[in-house]
Amino acid sequence: AQSVTQLDSQVPVFEEAPVELRCNYSSSVSVYLFWYVQYPNQGLQLLLKYLSGSTLVESINGFEAEFNKSQTSFHLRKPSVHISDTAEYFCAVSPPSIRASKIIFGSGTRLSIRP
Amino acid sequence: ETGVTQSPTHLIKTRGQQVTLRCSSQSGHNTVSWYQQALGQGPQFIFQYYREEENGRGNFPPRFSGLQFPNYSSELNVNALELDDSALYLCASSLGGATSGSFRGNEQFFGPGTRLTVL
Repeated sequence: AQSVTQLDSQVPVFEEAPVELRCNYSSSVSVYLFWYVQYPNQGLQLLLKYLSGSTLVESINGFEAEFNKSQTSFHLRKPSVHISDTAEYFCAVSPPSIRASKIIFGSGTRLSIRP
Repeated sequence: ETGVTQSPTHLIKTRGQQVTLRCSSQSGHNTVSWYQQALGQGPQFIFQYYREEENGRGNFPPRFSGLQFPNYSSELNVNALELDDSALYLCASSLGGATSGSFRGNEQFFGPGTRLTVL
């Protein structure tokens, strides 16, 4: 079985400041790792994913996440946030499978940006 | 390429009623997963359909049931609604199967959701 823990339910930061959203997971098998973003009153959008290879993955809007197998973590970072980054962020895992597999989500971190 | 769509957008029901939510998968996808997202929580897996058959189920009672049609669209049915069923219901489509490669089976594309309120 897998589980995901997002250590912070809310993270307030000032605009242009750096941010880190923390995520730890537990699994007895290897997993794929994801960060999803949910803007107010919208569905989920995939922000970035780690499947294999380089442990540092990047999104097109400046976010990055690093897979740390020894610490079972997949923290999300951005060096300088913008007001438009205000959203709820979900860390998620999924076991590799030939058939599509369920995604297990954390409880979410609400990122609020102050001007 | 059409994305995942869900209907209706919002729905209000009373306790004990039944509800049907609908999802159209992204073009070319053969797998649909349903998730329940209660207020302030992460989405919880309800079940998944692959080529019209149930392909896994989360910890939800039998009054939550589903269907997948030959065009891979899907329905989620909930009977005997309870107050705790109030939530955002998300549908996600993906391409599963041996020919797709395992990683593609895990990349799911979400619809905007249906917000269900049970009074």
